[in-house]
Amino acid sequence: QKEVEQNSGPLSVPEGAIASLNCTYSDRGSQSFFWYRQYSGKSPELIMSIYSNGDKEDGRFTAQLNKASQYVSLLIRDSQPSDSATYLCAVIGAGNNRKLIWGLGTSLAVNP
Amino acid sequence: EPEVTQTPSHQVTQMGQEVILRCVPISNHLYFYWYRQILGQKVEFLVSFYNNEISEKSEIFDDQFSVERPDGSNFTLKIRSTKLEDSAMYFCASSEWGIGRTDTQYFGPGTRLTVL
Repeated sequence: QKEVEQNSGPLSVPEGAIASLNCTYSDRGSQSFFWYRQYSGKSPELIMSIYSNGDKEDGRFTAQLNKASQYVSLLIRDSQPSDSATYLCAVIGAGNNRKLIWGLGTSLAVNP
Repeated sequence: EPEVTQTPSHQVTQMGQEVILRCVPISNHLYFYWYRQILGQKVEFLVSFYNNEISEKSEIFDDQFSVERPDGSNFTLKIRSTKLEDSAMYFCASSEWGIGRTDTQYFGPGTRLTVL
């Protein structure tokens, strides 16, 4: 059974701080990694994708991938109250299938 | 910016009834998906669709489920005889394929299905 694990939180940070979200996955052959944001009652909204080991930066967001440790993380710099949401880690596993395998998500609260 | 659309936003039905959930994927995308999310649980893959046929389906996607692309724009999910446990948010997603392809999936706003 291919699994994606996240700490469910809640993670609480003050406004302006760095929020660090973590994700591990079980399928060593996984090839594509995504972070989505989900507000309550809404659909997942893509934040970032990452495919290679290392860091990928986009504005205030940095994704980090370590395939040897089967670990993906998301850093949010200068956190804003509008960043308060559930952050979902999703992975496409090995093989020709394209389905996303999801973590349960980490709830982030940014306090003004 | 192109987006995936879904209708209806909320569907209430009686147990045993048939429902059809509709999606319009992004126009140049070739891969289509249905996922569902039961309240408080993980997003779960149901089915993927490419080149007018199912490319993969999950254990959840049993004989009571079917998908169809009836025309060049719509992508539908039919649940033939709904059960209480089918109550969930249903998300449609699409991704592009081809030269310079990306496997990033973009999601519609979802249909909340309530089975009474």
